[in-house]
Amino acid sequence: NAGVTQTPKFRVLKTGQSMTLLCAQDMNHEYMYWYRQDPGMGLRLIHYSVGEGTTAKGEVPDGYNVSRLKKQNFLLGLESAAPSQTSVYFCASSYSGTGPYEQYFGPGTRLTVT
Amino acid sequence: EDQVTQSPEALRLQEGESSSLNCSYTVSGLRGLFWYRQDPGKGPEFLFTLYSAGEEKEKERLKATLTKKESFLHITAPKPEDSATYLCAVQAGNTPLVFGKGTRLSVIA
Repeated sequence: NAGVTQTPKFRVLKTGQSMTLLCAQDMNHEYMYWYRQDPGMGLRLIHYSVGEGTTAKGEVPDGYNVSRLKKQNFLLGLESAAPSQTSVYFCASSYSGTGPYEQYFGPGTRLTVT
Repeated sequence: EDQVTQSPEALRLQEGESSSLNCSYTVSGLRGLFWYRQDPGKGPEFLFTLYSAGEEKEKERLKATLTKKESFLHITAPKPEDSATYLCAVQAGNTPLVFGKGTRLSVIA
């Protein structure tokens, strides 16, 4: 099993450009999450999904959109990138049910917006 | 508002020098407290889940404990390979995890 994978690993964008980050998991998890990690700020939840076709806002959703068209994939989009979105982005997934269940994280995407 | 505070922010130990990391939390209806390890340039790696006060879990040189207000991650006789950032997270009710900012541990040979 590959676990949680993220594409791409690195990306540099110019202000105003758009991009999509892809997360895939092969553990048949219902729940998926997108976080950003910044120095001194810890992990902050952007959006999450409790199942195919459903998404919800986290702590810092502004400037991002997400889609969960397939159970195994969770996409994070930046429509018009800003320097404040320079960060490391992590995707995670977990089981659902009575839980609580630990989250499994991907290797991260390092995004720089100039 | 649910809060998770980890201390110290950074800890430097000599190899073999045991110590503890702290995670204090203020949540209503704790369902679980999680410890993760994160190496530079990598995603967090799950270590433990604690569900109720008094519970303890061990893995190699690590032992996690839980009270009603805080959790400790005890590191016994650490080795340089234990150097990493250790993250604590809590889940209350059906809300997503809330993470602390982490403790950066350096173990010097």
